[in-house]
Amino acid sequence: AQSVTQLDSHVSVSEGTPVLLRCNYSSSYSPSLFWYVQHPNKGLQLLLKYTSAATLVKGINGFEAEFKKSETSFHLTKPSAHMSDAAEYFCVVSVPGRRALTFGSGTRLQVQP
Amino acid sequence: EAQVTQNPRYLITVTGKKLTVTCSQNMNHEYMSWYRQDPGLGLRQIYYSMNVEVTDKGDVPEGYKVSRKEKRNFPLILESPSPNQTSLYFCASSPTPRSAKETQYFGPGTRLLVL
Repeated sequence: AQSVTQLDSHVSVSEGTPVLLRCNYSSSYSPSLFWYVQHPNKGLQLLLKYTSAATLVKGINGFEAEFKKSETSFHLTKPSAHMSDAAEYFCVVSVPGRRALTFGSGTRLQVQP
Repeated sequence: EAQVTQNPRYLITVTGKKLTVTCSQNMNHEYMSWYRQDPGLGLRQIYYSMNVEVTDKGDVPEGYKVSRKEKRNFPLILESPSPNQTSLYFCASSPTPRSAKETQYFGPGTRLLVL
């Protein structure tokens, strides 16, 4: 069975400093991995996706994530946080043959001025 | 504007009183799905539909019903709501069942409180 574990439920950074949101996955198959973002009172929006092409994936708003098979990780990073990045972020896995996306428990990112 | 809409956005009800949450998409998508979001649990799939008249259970279907009579609409029905169904509900759609494994378009959410 596949699953994702988001290692931090809350992350707080100062504006202008780097962001690191951690995600580990487990899957018996080659997974597709995604990061979704949910801003307050909004639906979820796809940030980026990994589907077995380049291991470093660039997304919207300056975010990127690196797929590391040896570490079973797919951490989300951004060099410099902006106030508008404050939101909840979900790491998501999809594997062949399974009907649904499997969501992590979410990481709430706070950005301090 | 291409979008997924849900109504109502907020709902307070009492145990046992039947309710329906509507979901509509204007993108001619084949695939639609319902999720519930609970603190510390992420999103869990309730039901999904791969096309008109084709629906199937997700991971947490108990206490819910759905129907897909038209391509654009996918209502979620709670025949006898209970307090453990208090949650934030999201509808999502995708062009095809295959694309749903990569990208889904989410509605704004419906916050439900069952007293």
